[in-house]
Amino acid sequence: GESVGLHLPTLSVQEGDNSIINCAYSNSASDYFIWYKQESGKGPQFIIDIRSNMDKRQGQRVTVLLNKTVKHLSLQIAATQPGDSAVYFCAEPQWGNKLVFGAGTILRVKS
Amino acid sequence: GAGVSQSPSNKVTEKGKDVELRCDPISGHTALYWYRQSLGQGLEFLIYFQGNSAPDKSGLPSDRFSAERTGGSVSTLTIQRTQQEDSAVYLCASSPLKGNSPLHFGNGTRLTVT
Repeated sequence: GESVGLHLPTLSVQEGDNSIINCAYSNSASDYFIWYKQESGKGPQFIIDIRSNMDKRQGQRVTVLLNKTVKHLSLQIAATQPGDSAVYFCAEPQWGNKLVFGAGTILRVKS
Repeated sequence: GAGVSQSPSNKVTEKGKDVELRCDPISGHTALYWYRQSLGQGLEFLIYFQGNSAPDKSGLPSDRFSAERTGGSVSTLTIQRTQQEDSAVYLCASSPLKGNSPLHFGNGTRLTVT
């Protein structure tokens, strides 16, 4: 079965608020995680990644947090904008670079 | 630079027909992947090519599905005797390195089997 999964299938936030999207993984040996954003009609787009020797990584308006103790990953989006509306996937490589994706979380931004 | 290109963007076919889906990866990327995404679902791994190594076909759902990668570049996914349950978006991705690096996806081919 899948080794990654998402807690919330749909998240609605007000424009300007912060968003937090969560992901659980089951393989404690996993050492690399990636977040993707998929807009309607497009392929997934890389957002940010994190390696297991880190517990936090920041990008532009996005932060990924990794808690290896409870095997939990989260994506935080600051000051959410309408353009952030999309489906967000966490993904984890299995042997080599074959990515296993979670089911996805729909983020809806209300103006 | 140019991203991953897939063609056609949409394909409608009759049940029982064969279809070919094409993927042009980013130049220089040695790894190429095919995924399938059903409506409102996550991504299902199909097949993975890495350099000259034998492809990982472990995700192909049946022997009606096959894929080739010619000259380490362009790839074709072929579905024979299509069934309605094959209807989905087929996504191709490429990656520059073996090991931990993000995949770059195309926009997919939406296949509808009538």
